[in-house]
Amino acid sequence: DSGVTQTPKHLITATGQRVTLRCSPRSGDLSVYWYQQSLDQGLQFLIQYYNGEERAKGNILERFSAQQFPDLHSELNLSSLELGDSALYFCASSVSSGSSGELFFGEGSRLTVL
Amino acid sequence: AQSVTQPDIHITVSEGASLELRCNYSYGATPYLFWYVQSPGQGLQLLLKYFSGDTLVQGIKGFEAEFKRSQSSFNLRKPSVHWSDAAEYFCAVGARRGSTLGRLYFGRGTQLTVWP
Repeated sequence: DSGVTQTPKHLITATGQRVTLRCSPRSGDLSVYWYQQSLDQGLQFLIQYYNGEERAKGNILERFSAQQFPDLHSELNLSSLELGDSALYFCASSVSSGSSGELFFGEGSRLTVL
Repeated sequence: AQSVTQPDIHITVSEGASLELRCNYSYGATPYLFWYVQSPGQGLQLLLKYFSGDTLVQGIKGFEAEFKRSQSSFNLRKPSVHWSDAAEYFCAVGARRGSTLGRLYFGRGTQLTVWP
């Protein structure tokens, strides 16, 4: 158990719909990262938040948005869903102390768009 | 541009045989290097990491990796593979950004099959 919690674990929805994925980082971790994993694209970085502020943005579509709340949990909002958005969405949080650091991953939210 | 290449998409080994998974990276700054493992339906678990110091790093489950700056490589090794090692392995590179770890760039992964 990494300590990162993602909900829901599975989600099936239709094209054009909107969904929200939720992530609770490990206790004390200030950074949250979102990744999308698909067979054709592999692990793609979407966005990073640090202590409530956006820190880095990757290949995140304009239809997608995210935020990190004061209690440090994060949500990834996916709208106007398309078939190609079907993927496994991972959240990770990081510990940062001294010169070390690593990402701890949740078990992912599997999104199926029909 | 930052990138990670894992040349082997799929590797098959017999149980008890040695294993080496290759990883080459391209990164503009001093890299932090990682190997993660993903079992079916699971998240990514960290096997080992390299930040600085000894270029041979030990990880969990008997894995080790060697950082070779001249070759921009960070290959993962295990002297004797167990059936439970069958999984997908990802190499990743990143760096610190201020007080936190920046984004990690991942390779496409190597799927390991272990024959009994």
